[in-house]
Parts: sequence; C-alpha cells; structure tokens
Amino acid sequence: SAVISQKPSRDICQRGTSLTIQCQVDSQVTMMFWYRQQPGQSLTLIATANQGSEATYESGFVIDKFPISRPNLTFSTLTVSNMSPEDSSIYLCSVDGGTEETQYFGPGTRLLVL
Amino acid sequence: QKEVEQNSGPLSVPEGAIASLNCTYSDRVSQSFFWYRQYSGKSPELIMSIYSNGDKEDGRFTAQLNKASQYVSLLIRDSQPSDSATYLCAVKDGATNKLIFGTGTLLAVQP
Repeated sequence: SAVISQKPSRDICQRGTSLTIQCQVDSQVTMMFWYRQQPGQSLTLIATANQGSEATYESGFVIDKFPISRPNLTFSTLTVSNMSPEDSSIYLCSVDGGTEETQYFGPGTRLLVL
Repeated sequence: QKEVEQNSGPLSVPEGAIASLNCTYSDRVSQSFFWYRQYSGKSPELIMSIYSNGDKEDGRFTAQLNKASQYVSLLIRDSQPSDSATYLCAVKDGATNKLIFGTGTLLAVQP
C-alpha cells in the first residue's frame, strides 16, 4: 500500500482565516480523495481529485469553501476557507489502491477553529 | 440515497471471546466490501476486503459476505484489548466507484 503523509498534523485557527492541508503520496496514484470526519461521526467525502482536471465535489461541498489542487500524481492540497467553528474536524486524504479496489488513508489533519 | 448501516455499539466482549460486527448495505450492484479499523485519534486502517459470497479468513479476522441478503460481517476470534477500536464497514458504490462508509461500531474488549 502507498505511504501517505499530511501536513499539518493539527492546527488551531481563528475564525475567518483559511488553512491549506497538504497530502503527499510516495507513489503515483490516479485518484485522491478528501474526507471530513467530525467528532464522533463517520467519514464524509468532500471531493475527488484527479490530476489534470477539476475536483469533483459531493453534495453540500463547494469549491469556494474547499478549493482543491492536484498538480501532479503524488500531491494534492485542500484549503478550508473562511473558517468557522463548524469546520472543526479531522480532514483525511486518501488514495485509491491501484489494482486493489480499496482506499488507503493518510494520518489526518486535526483542525480546531476558535 | 445509498446507505451502509452498522450498529454503533459499544459492543463489549471479554478478552478471548469472538467479536461479531455486522453491516448491511442498500446498493445491490456493489461488488466490493471493506472493513477498516480506527483507533481513537487515528486514521482508518484497512483490515479486510471481500468480494465474493462466503467467508474470507486472515489470521484472527474472518469477513463474511452474503450479497443476496446485502449483509457483510467481521468476526474477530480470540479478541484482545488491543482490538478495542471503531470498526468501519465500507461498500464501493457500483455506479460511481466511491466508498460509502457506515457510521462504525465501537468495540470494547474487556481484559
């Protein structure tokens, strides 16, 4: 399975500011995914990011709030814009398993918005 | 709306017992099913995948799939306190290839 890293691992931010989360993979992958996991909840898919195309957002998530970049096959960023306390969550990057059917997750970014 | 349902628990079992975790799903087209383990404060870790009806064993873990009943389960034999975690069932959407996650079952193995 791929080795995935995320930066930052955690952050405390003030409302109204923005935070960019980076996801780096040790091998080239076609599809990268961004999830949110709010306290005590399961995973909610924010968007799918393919290299060379615009990210595809799930219902309830918009590009202005969560802009995503995917400049190459090993890297992606998610920005949480104009943050409010409701954005406090764990943000997880995942990648598809190639010939495997599943996804592998990065360690996550724990965000607290005050 | 395609759904994956799990009992949220907590499921409490004594050390050494068999823990049985269950999951039902609504998408009849799904062909790929996964169990993830998530320790508190950590990200999900894949522990089992299953694609065909029947049982699949890997060490102390056995995944069971019944597509006709739209049911997938995970058995953990000889449960250990280190197995205490939230177990997430995930089903690949047959139309979009996205993973749909259940809400997870919290397992507590009592020493």
